[in-house]
Amino acid sequence: DAMVIQNPRYQVTQFGKPVTLSCSQTLNHNVMYWYQQKSSQAPKLLFHYYDKDFNNEADTPDNFQSRRPNTSFCFLDIRSPGLGDAAMYLCATSGGRATDTQYFGPGTRLTVL
Amino acid sequence: GQNIDQPTEMTATEGAIVQINCTYQTSGFNGLFWYQQHAGEAPTFLSYNVLDGLEEKGRFSSFLSRSKGYSYLLLKELQMKDSASYLCAVKDSNYQLIWGAGTKLIIKP
Repeated sequence: DAMVIQNPRYQVTQFGKPVTLSCSQTLNHNVMYWYQQKSSQAPKLLFHYYDKDFNNEADTPDNFQSRRPNTSFCFLDIRSPGLGDAAMYLCATSGGRATDTQYFGPGTRLTVL
Repeated sequence: GQNIDQPTEMTATEGAIVQINCTYQTSGFNGLFWYQQHAGEAPTFLSYNVLDGLEEKGRFSSFLSRSKGYSYLLLKELQMKDSASYLCAVKDSNYQLIWGAGTKLIIKP
C-alpha cells in the first residue's frame, strides 16, 4: 500500500540536544509538508517542499530546519529543542500544491525533558 | 486575517446524527477539506468540497456554501469509533491550507 511513514513514532530528547525526525513516502508525491501540532490546536505549517523547492513559513523559528535529499524522504531537524517544542510533528504529502488532498503520516510525538 | 471557526466540542448519542459546522473567512478559496483525527494520531482525510452542494460518502456527508463561507460535516448512525476531533481546512488563494482548531466529538452510549 502506498503510504507516508514517519520515524520514530515517539522521540524523547533533552533540552538543547539536537534531534532529527524522518518522513518517507511511497506515493511519489511532489510536495512534502512538515506541521507542528500541540494538544487541541490546529496543525501549524512549518515548511514545505515542492520537489526541491523549499518554502519556509515566515513565523517558523530558525531552530527548525529541513532537508529533502530525494523525492521519497524528508527530514526535520530541531537544532536546540526547547520545552515549547514538545508537540506532535506531522509529515504530509500531496501530488501538487493546488487543490490536491494532503495525506498524513502517523506523526512523531516529541517530548523534551 | 484568515479565520476558520468550529465549535470546540460536541456530544452526541450512539446511533444518532450530528452536524459539525465550519465557517471560514479566507483570502480566496480553492476547496474545503474535512479531516478526522483520533487522539494522539494523525489526521485522516474524510472529504473535499470545491463546488456548492452536498457530497455524500457512506455515513459521512459534507456540504458547502461558498457565498456564505460555510460548510458542515454530517455524521449519521454514529458509532463509538466516531469519537474523535474533526478538523475543517480551507485552501486559500495561495493554495495554503488554513486549519480550524477542530471539533472534539464525544459519543455516548
